[in-house]
Amino acid sequence: NAGVTQTPKFQVLKTGQSMTLQCAQDMNHEYMSWYRQDPGMGLRLIHYSVGAGITDQGEVPNGYNVSRSTTEDFPLRLLSAAPSQTSVYFCASSRTFTSTDTQYFGPGTRLTVL
Amino acid sequence: AQSVAQPEDQVNVAEGNPLTVKCTYSVSGNPYLFWYVQYPNRGLQFLLKYITGDNLVKGSYGFEAEFNKSQTSFHLKKPSALVSDSALYFCAVRPLRDMRFGAGTRLTVKP
Repeated sequence: NAGVTQTPKFQVLKTGQSMTLQCAQDMNHEYMSWYRQDPGMGLRLIHYSVGAGITDQGEVPNGYNVSRSTTEDFPLRLLSAAPSQTSVYFCASSRTFTSTDTQYFGPGTRLTVL
Repeated sequence: AQSVAQPEDQVNVAEGNPLTVKCTYSVSGNPYLFWYVQYPNRGLQFLLKYITGDNLVKGSYGFEAEFNKSQTSFHLKKPSALVSDSALYFCAVRPLRDMRFGAGTRLTVKP
């Protein structure tokens, strides 16, 4: 199993540009999520999905959209990039959304918005 | 609200000495607690978790964590530190449909 994969690894955008961060998992996990990591703040939840066709907002959803058309894929869209969205983005998945299930993380995407 | 706190930004230990990375939690109901490690330019790797039962949880790479209900703590420990243990460590709690992380503790093990 490849686990959780993310593309691209690095991306530089100009303010106002849009892009999609890709995330895929091959473990047949129901739950998938997106986090951003900023220095001194740990990881903060952006959006999550408990199954295909079901998404919901996390702690910091503004400026981001998600969709979940298949169990495997959970892309994150930046509609109009802003410098405040410069961060490292991690996708994660777990078997279910229950509190005892372990989340497994992808390698991350480092995004810079100029 | 459920949360965790890591009171130390940085922990320095000498190779071969025991190490402790501290975590305290605030949880209503049963606490489900996790530890992750992040090496430079990598994603988070799962180390161990506490669900129920024995207060001493053993995990990957020789790490263990001690759950203490009276002190609301879940400290990560290792009897003998290695230089390769140098990394960023995160404690986390998982409320339903979410995961809340501490700010992280940077562990440096010096030869």
